Amino acid sequence: ETGVTQSPTHLIKTRGQQVTLRCSSQSGHNTVSWYQQALGQGPQFIFQYYREEENGRGNFPPRFSGLQFPNYSSELNVNALELDDSALYLCASSSMGLAGQNEQFFGPGTRLTVL
Amino acid sequence: ELKVEQNPLFLSMQEGKNYTIYCNYSTTSDRLYWYRQDPGKSLESLFVLLSNGAVKQEGRLMASLDTKARLSTLHITAAVHDLSATYFCAVDIENSGYALNFGKGTSLLVTP
Repeated sequence: ETGVTQSPTHLIKTRGQQVTLRCSSQSGHNTVSWYQQALGQGPQFIFQYYREEENGRGNFPPRFSGLQFPNYSSELNVNALELDDSALYLCASSSMGLAGQNEQFFGPGTRLTVL
Repeated sequence: ELKVEQNPLFLSMQEGKNYTIYCNYSTTSDRLYWYRQDPGKSLESLFVLLSNGAVKQEGRLMASLDTKARLSTLHITAAVHDLSATYFCAVDIENSGYALNFGKGTSLLVTP
């Protein structure tokens, strides 16, 4: 069974640039959620995708957008990067529709630094 | 606004001692999750508590859930250095599929 993978591992961008982060979900999972974790904080929910549709969104501005592909992999796009976007971005996959089976499995994360 | 509050936020304890981490939340959720995070690493699922009164144990860690009190506890028995990490509790966010709202985490340091 293949776990959740993310790429790239680390990324350095400058303010105003755009970035795309990628996630491959665990085999058999159809739901991908993205989280932002600032240093010393708990993960904050950005949005979730289920069957290629956005299924929920946290308190993040529209410059945070995403996609889910037919193979359930996903992308997180951030436009007009700001210094405060520097964080660890975590992707989690799970299986929507299985009652009680909401255990989310996290990828290793992408560390984004905005200068 | 959904709140998940953990205490303490920082905990230094000696090896061999016992301690409890508390997680209070503000929703009516009957499911709660505990995760562990080592420095610079991702989140590892520890426990999934699915109903009131649920208790799960793994090694020196035991988690419980009281949905009426909206309280979960993570009890550490006879701590060892390998348990040093940050522990997060989380609950489901209503109307957002099964996304999670996390607490701020409890940073645990176990010393000799």
